[in-house]
Amino acid sequence: EVQLLESGGGFVQPGGSLRLSCVASGFTFRHSAMSWVRLAPGRGLEWVSAVTDDGDRTYYTDSVQGRFTISRDNSKNTLFLQMDSLRVEDTAIYFCAKAGHCGSTSCPFDSWGQGTLVTVSS
Amino acid sequence: DIQMTQSPSTLSASVGDRVIISCRASQTIDGWLAWYQQKPGKAPKLLIYEASVLESGVPSRFSGSASGTEFTLTINSLQPDDFATYSCQHYYSYWRTFGQGTKVEIK
Repeated sequence: EVQLLESGGGFVQPGGSLRLSCVASGFTFRHSAMSWVRLAPGRGLEWVSAVTDDGDRTYYTDSVQGRFTISRDNSKNTLFLQMDSLRVEDTAIYFCAKAGHCGSTSCPFDSWGQGTLVTVSS
Repeated sequence: DIQMTQSPSTLSASVGDRVIISCRASQTIDGWLAWYQQKPGKAPKLLIYEASVLESGVPSRFSGSASGTEFTLTINSLQPDDFATYSCQHYYSYWRTFGQGTKVEIK
């Protein structure tokens, strides 16, 4: 059974930093592209960032480009999201998601973690 | 960026109803569309991918269809467990975007 367990969320002031982690099990982590997706209060799901299976390529939505950094440690089956220069609008539940059923270029998410809450407020 | 416009934002229905949710892409996405179900406090769940392929374990009352850049999710004979929020998502590129979500409420 695929399991994704996020941690690292919390309360931080604007301008602060947090590092999220996601420990994966139940599948071959090094073979799967991974993403972070967030759900802000009163809003829909928003894809945040993705990393290829080997970690060589990373992708970001415009609003976090330059502030967030996605990475992975395949030896520890762990995905990370370093979040710097946090803004109030980054407040959300952050989910780690596994890519599956891939198309020609990209993939939907066939497994998700339960999420970790990030609150940015003064 | 590709925009995904989903409608309606809220839908009131009764057990046994047929429910249809729509999603429109701002450009061609070649059918690379997924539908998710989410309940409060829970992880989203993949229902359908490639616009019409049912994920393993998802009940057959769920179905998806496509016509150009227009996509629909149909739930036949709505069950109590189906009251949730549904979101579409394209995966035409790595910069994936979701629709705004449709909350299916009890009438």
